[in-house]
Amino acid sequence: GQQVMQIPQYQHVQEGEDFTTYCNSSTTLSNIQWYKQRPGGHPVFLIQLVKSGEVKKQKRLTFQFGEAKKNSSLHITATQTTDVGTYFCAGVNNYGQNFVFGPGTRLSVLP
Amino acid sequence: DSGVTQTPKHLITATGQRVTLRCSPRSGDLSVYWYQQSLDQGLQFLIQYYNGEERAKGNILERFSAQQFPDLHSELNLSSLELGDSALYFCASSPSLGTGGEKLFFGSGTQLSVL
Repeated sequence: GQQVMQIPQYQHVQEGEDFTTYCNSSTTLSNIQWYKQRPGGHPVFLIQLVKSGEVKKQKRLTFQFGEAKKNSSLHITATQTTDVGTYFCAGVNNYGQNFVFGPGTRLSVLP
Repeated sequence: DSGVTQTPKHLITATGQRVTLRCSPRSGDLSVYWYQQSLDQGLQFLIQYYNGEERAKGNILERFSAQQFPDLHSELNLSSLELGDSALYFCASSPSLGTGGEKLFFGSGTQLSVL
């Protein structure tokens, strides 16, 4: 079945540093979604990417979808303590396997 | 507030017991998904129901079962509980089948502790 991997598993940064997490799927995706889970909270939808090579920005967050639609990345510029949490990617395909989540990247930001 | 309601928030029980977790989806959403999140682990997909019918199945144990009722709320039944079943169980909902760009709305979860 479809597998979605993410690296790194953990990332500790100093406030103001940049952060990137990478997501790779074993199969070609219809689209990919990103979710953020704050400590003690539940996952919250951030964004969806659909087109090959698509790039979307949300303030300091930049999301990319690979040309082959099998990988994606999330880049945060100048991290803040409010960015702390676990970032999950979720692959959506057309073969009955919806929303297969990666294991997540836990981000810690030191003030 | 996502609009998805899960009860109870916390559940403490003993090994061998059976529990029922309840989820009410967002108003109008037809799909309900169940996920298990163990400590420091990702979101393991258990099962999806769409408009009362089972739509997709993940790594759900035979000891676990779920259903979606005519009013679209869902229940996840966990039986013969083991210590390893201790986890945070999330319910999520989406407007339709989950394809075509729908996003998931998660509830706050039920923290299950098996002692």
